Amino acid sequence: GESVGLHLPTLSVQEGDNSIINCAYSNSASDYFIWYKQESGKGPQFIIDIRSNMDKRQGQRVTVLLNKTVKHLSLQIAATQPGDSAVYFCAETSGSRLTFGEGTQLTVNP
Amino acid sequence: KAGVTQTPRYLIKTRGQQVTLSCSPISGHRSVSWYQQTPGQGLQFLFEYFSETQRNKGNFPGRFSGRQFSNSRSEMNVSTLELGDSALYLCASSSTGGFKDYGYTFGSGTRLTVV
Repeated sequence: GESVGLHLPTLSVQEGDNSIINCAYSNSASDYFIWYKQESGKGPQFIIDIRSNMDKRQGQRVTVLLNKTVKHLSLQIAATQPGDSAVYFCAETSGSRLTFGEGTQLTVNP
Repeated sequence: KAGVTQTPRYLIKTRGQQVTLSCSPISGHRSVSWYQQTPGQGLQFLFEYFSETQRNKGNFPGRFSGRQFSNSRSEMNVSTLELGDSALYLCASSSTGGFKDYGYTFGSGTRLTVV
C-alpha cells in the first residue's frame, strides 16, 4: 500500500499498513508547507506543517518529508486506520494565500 | 469555541443569476479567505479580507467579488452565474492571515450548484 515519489489521485491500503502520499509543489520560494485532510462534507483540516529549513517533521502517527531539490513533499501515515480515509492535500504558502496541490483520496480497507 | 460558519450549506441557482455566500469567522479572527473547490481545478484561492480591506486576490474574473464587515463577517458574491461556477466554496479565518500559529481554520463550505 505504499507509493513513493509519484503523485497518485487514489491510494488504497489495508488497515494497519503504512501509507505514503506524495505531492509536488511549484514555487521554489515557498517557505512553509502544510498537509490537510478533507473528509466528505467538511473543509480541510490541518494535519502537520513543515518549514523550508527542515527536511523532516514528525507528529502523532504522521511524518512529513520535504525535498526542496525536486520540490516534493510526502506525508507518511503509520498504522493507517479506517478513520484516516479522506482526501489529503499538500499546500504551499505565499503571503496570506494557500496554493494547494492535487489531492489524493486515501481509502483504508478493514 | 465556535468554528467558522458558512451559510447556506447548499444552494441551487440558475445560469445568469447572482448569489451571495456568507462566512462568519472564529471570534477574534480578523482575516477571512475564500477558496473555490472543483473536481477539475482543485482548491483555488479567490481572495482574502483583513479589517474590511481586500488584501490578496487570486486569478478569478471580476464576476467574483467579496466584502468584509466591521464584525469580520465576510460575504462573497458571484454575478451572472455560469455552469462552471458550480463548486464548493470554502472560507477560512485566522487572527492575522497567518497559518498554523494564527489558528487558520476552514469552514465546511457552501455547495453551489448552477443549473
